[in-house]
Parts: sequence; C-alpha cells; structure tokens
Amino acid sequence: EVQLVQSGAEVKKPGESLKISCKGSGYSFTDYWIGWVRQMPGKGLEWMGIIYPGDSKSKYSPAFQGQVTMSADKSVTTAYLQWSSLQASDTAMYYCARLTGTTVWIGSFDIWGQGTMVTVSS
Amino acid sequence: QSVLTQPPSASGTPGQRVTISCSGSSSNIGSNTVHWYQQLPGTAPKLLIYRNNQRPSGVPDRFSGSKSGTSASLAISGLQSEDEADYYCAAWDDSLNGYVFGTGTKVTVL
Repeated sequence: EVQLVQSGAEVKKPGESLKISCKGSGYSFTDYWIGWVRQMPGKGLEWMGIIYPGDSKSKYSPAFQGQVTMSADKSVTTAYLQWSSLQASDTAMYYCARLTGTTVWIGSFDIWGQGTMVTVSS
Repeated sequence: QSVLTQPPSASGTPGQRVTISCSGSSSNIGSNTVHWYQQLPGTAPKLLIYRNNQRPSGVPDRFSGSKSGTSASLAISGLQSEDEADYYCAAWDDSLNGYVFGTGTKVTVL
C-alpha cells in the first residue's frame, strides 16, 4: 500500500525548534516530489513547498522561504519539515503529500499524510 | 492570500447538482492543469479530480471537472450527504513558480 505516515502532534513554546517527519512506503520514494501544506485552524490549504528526495532539490513558496527548511533522507524514505524558532502563528496542521505527474506544473497531490498538528503556546 | 478564487459556500438537497467555480489567471489556470481536492471534516485532503477532468480510481463519476480559459469548475451531480465537505481547486502558477490552492468552498447538503 502506498502511504505517507507523519510524526505525531507537537506542543512547543515560542522560540523552540522543531522537526516533523513524513515517511513514505509502498513506492519508489526517490521518484516523486513531496510537498508540504499548511492549514491553520479553521482556514484553507496553503502550499509551503516541495522537495525531490532523489536529489533534495526544493522549491519554496515565497511566503515560507526562510521560515522553514525542507529536507529528505532517502535512506529511510523520510521527508522532513523544520523550524529553527517557532512562533505562535506557526500553530497549524501540517500535511505532507506526494506529487504525481511527469512534471511539477501538471502534477497533483495524490497521496496525503494524516497530518501533524503543531501547537505553539507559552 | 490565494490567487485562485472560489465561492465560500454552496449547498443543495440530496440528488441535486451543485457546481463550484474556481477563478484564476493566465499564469495558473490559463496555462496549467487544474486539480480538485475534497476535505471531509477532520480528515486530510483527498485528490478528487486531476488534470482538469480526470478522476482517480475510486472516485464516483458523480464528480466531474472542466476548465475554460482562466476558470475551472467542479460539478457534483446526485448530491449525497457524504459529499458534505470542503473543496479546493489547485494549479501550478508560473509567475509564483509554485503551487496555489483556491480559497475553498464548503458544500452543505440541506
């Protein structure tokens, strides 16, 4: 079964660092881009960026460039999203998703992780 | 702020047809394919339509997509109670060099 399994919910204080994970299985992990999507409480979906685990090439949304870092470790078929200094405004559900399609501009996110809830509060 | 605009809500009675619009521009819908996602309450989004009008395996044919110029539409025919969800359009944007989601539409079955 093709699936993405994300790490569990996190509760952090402002200023702390965090790294959440997304483990792929059931397919060739290095052949598909992995995207990250933010959903703030009660709000819509926001694309954060994508990373290609085959060579770790990445593209960031301008809104998230410099705010987060995406990475991937193909040896453990896992993608990561990390923050160096969390803010209360980072409180949200974060989803990873597999981008299918031969090129990014026609690709769609066909497999989604279950989501990781990140709560940042003092 | 999303560059793809959807109506915030849509509704219908069971069996009716509901249509959701998605308005973009030449840099996104006008030049790239459109995808639609369904998000049931409390769950992760699910791919509903890809490449304008293709349904993934397992998606009922009650769901259909179309695109014309810089706009796209999702139609749900024979509306069912389990269709109550949020729906998002999405496309690659050449100007932003990134993926953009629509503002989302909440569908209510009356």
